[in-house]
Amino acid sequence: DADVTQTPRNRITKTGKRIMLECSQTKGHDRMYWYRQDPGLGLRLIYYSFDVKDINKGEISDGYSVSRQAQAKFSLSLESAIPNQTALYFCATSDLQTGSSYNEQFFGPGTRLTVL
Amino acid sequence: AQSVTQPDIHITVSEGASLELRCNYSYGATPYLFWYVQSPGQGLQLLLKYFSGDTLVQGIKGFEAEFKRSQSSFNLRKPSVHWSDAAEYFCAVGATGGSYIPTFGRGTSLIVHP
Repeated sequence: DADVTQTPRNRITKTGKRIMLECSQTKGHDRMYWYRQDPGLGLRLIYYSFDVKDINKGEISDGYSVSRQAQAKFSLSLESAIPNQTALYFCATSDLQTGSSYNEQFFGPGTRLTVL
Repeated sequence: AQSVTQPDIHITVSEGASLELRCNYSYGATPYLFWYVQSPGQGLQLLLKYFSGDTLVQGIKGFEAEFKRSQSSFNLRKPSVHWSDAAEYFCAVGATGGSYIPTFGRGTSLIVHP
């Protein structure tokens, strides 16, 4: 089974709808992240969480919100979806350790979201 | 703040040819450096990483990268490309302090011709 899972894998929705993307992990990591990927722009950080009680905005948080329901679950919501939020969304995890695992991230398979 | 530049948006090589993907970073101290690969329809997978020590790093799938402090570079190389290497490649730099969150480059798309 995959260590980081995302649901749904694909979603088509309409402008103005509320959408939730879910991420679960079995790696036991404290840190979780949400990124969006757009062609030519690479990965941009939306939100990140260092533990259940810690939520932080990334570089492009406007129009998004998150919830960290448990160490293993981190959800991303679009309260009122708009077409320019059409993108590929990735969840990632990492564990703060000294040594060679420092900063290494583990990614889910992605959710392709289309907003019409 | 750290930043990463991948100057090549697309690279086209023939199968069996050698490959070098460029990555330049900006960071005030010794960074943590990563290369990730994203195959079509997949998430990102770590190819290799540099933290300290030997500046030539070996990774999975026959890839290697060399950290050159004087050039602020961490270029990815492979001596002989296979058709299955066609993918998007991302370089990332991680800070050694603060929030420790990596910054990603915009990616280089590798096209492999038979």
